[in-house]
Amino acid sequence: AQTVTQSQPEMSVQEAETVTLSCTYDTSESDYYLFWYKQPPSRQMILVIRQEAYKQQNATENRFSVNFQKAAKSFSLKISDSQLGDAAMYFCAYRTRKLTFGTGTRLQVTL
Amino acid sequence: KAGVTQTPRYLIKTRGQQVTLSCSPISGHRSVSWYQQTPGQGLQFLFEYFSETQRNKGNFPGRFSGRQFSNSRSEMNVSTLELGDSALYLCASSVTGFAGANVLTFGAGSRLTVL
Repeated sequence: AQTVTQSQPEMSVQEAETVTLSCTYDTSESDYYLFWYKQPPSRQMILVIRQEAYKQQNATENRFSVNFQKAAKSFSLKISDSQLGDAAMYFCAYRTRKLTFGTGTRLQVTL
Repeated sequence: KAGVTQTPRYLIKTRGQQVTLSCSPISGHRSVSWYQQTPGQGLQFLFEYFSETQRNKGNFPGRFSGRQFSNSRSEMNVSTLELGDSALYLCASSVTGFAGANVLTFGAGSRLTVL
C-alpha cells in the first residue's frame, strides 16, 4: 500500500525567512505524481505545487520549490520569503489511481 | 469560472440517520472524487466517479455510497450514521481524473456532525 509520511506536525517560521517541510512516501510504482496542497482555515484545499515522478528537474512555483529525491522517496517543500498568508496546514500527496495524503504539517508564520 | 461547489456547508444529524452531500464540479470537468477528513484519520479517499461510473473506491464500508449524474454533478450518501462519521467531506473535480498531470480542484467541503 502507498503511504505518505509527514514527520513534522507543526513548524514555525518568521516572516521573510525560509522553511522546509518534509515528506516521504512509499511506493512500488514507477509512474506517479506528487503534490503539495495548502489548507487554510477556510478549509479549501489549494494546490501549491506538483511534480511528475519521471521528471528529474525540481518543480518551482514562485516562492515555492520542491526537492524531489526519487531514489530516497523524498519530496520536501521549501517556502522562501515566508508571508503571513502562508500560514496553513500543508499536505503532501501522492497520486496514481487515487490520491493519498500525508497527515499534514501546520505552518505558523510569525512577525 | 465557477469553482467546485459543495452543499450543504454544514449539517447536523443524529446516529442512525442518513445524509446526502452534493458536489457540483467545474464546468467541463467529468471526474469527481470524494474525501473524508477527520482529526484522527486525516484525509482519506472515498471514491471517484467519471462519466457516471465509479472508477476507484477507497476502504470504506458499504454505508458510504455515491453517484454521478449526466451533468457530472455528484452526490455521496452515508446511511445509518455513526458518531465516527463526523468529518469534513471534500470533493474535488478534474477534467479526466487521476490520469496524467490532471490537477484536482477542491471544494470548500461539507462539515457533518453526528450527535
